[in-house]
Amino acid sequence: SQQGEEDPQALSIQEGENATMNCSYKTSINNLQWYRQNSGRGLVHLILIRSNEREKHSGRLRVTLDTSKKSSSLLITASRAADTASYFCATYGNFNKFYFGSGTKLNVKP
Amino acid sequence: EADIYQTPRYLVIGTGKKITLECSQTMGHDKMYWYQQDPGMELHLIHYSYGVNSTEKGDLSSESTVSRIRTEHFPLTLESARPSHTSQYLCASVTGNTEAFFGQGTRLTVV
Repeated sequence: SQQGEEDPQALSIQEGENATMNCSYKTSINNLQWYRQNSGRGLVHLILIRSNEREKHSGRLRVTLDTSKKSSSLLITASRAADTASYFCATYGNFNKFYFGSGTKLNVKP
Repeated sequence: EADIYQTPRYLVIGTGKKITLECSQTMGHDKMYWYQQDPGMELHLIHYSYGVNSTEKGDLSSESTVSRIRTEHFPLTLESARPSHTSQYLCASVTGNTEAFFGQGTRLTVV
């Protein structure tokens, strides 16, 4: 991968449960972002965390960043069926290159 | 809704044809990107641009070319399409804060 790996590749949970997905990256970064993609469509920005931040919240989303381990996690609390999608982390680093991870497919069963 | 548009949405063409995939944004962003994505797979960066008259190749070898004559327009051209080019192509423009806005994508099938 140009960016790194995300795990798990796929995650299936019941509505109301929490979903956690992880991302590892390879290069030094200015920030790390998470995006959502519904089947066959473009990606939508969810949340951005800067390299000097360790945790960030937005609604039901919680993102952590550990630059020493080059990893990040996205937690979706109280998941809903409408959260079913693929989730990608993205890093914006040197030379204006914008890389995306391999994605986690989340299925939330009603 | 983001103001970035890709056309066509779907395209089926024969091998050897020349095609141009259009991407336009009305947000005045300088940075724009093209990605190739097979269904359910990761995004591969194929081209990007810092602004007018600047274009760079991404890390995925691609037989496509791009141009950036105007800020709002970043078309991608395949001179001779092959079945291996069958994929989804996603265009994005990026704000000064590095948030990316994506178009809906063009799903290309080369037969």
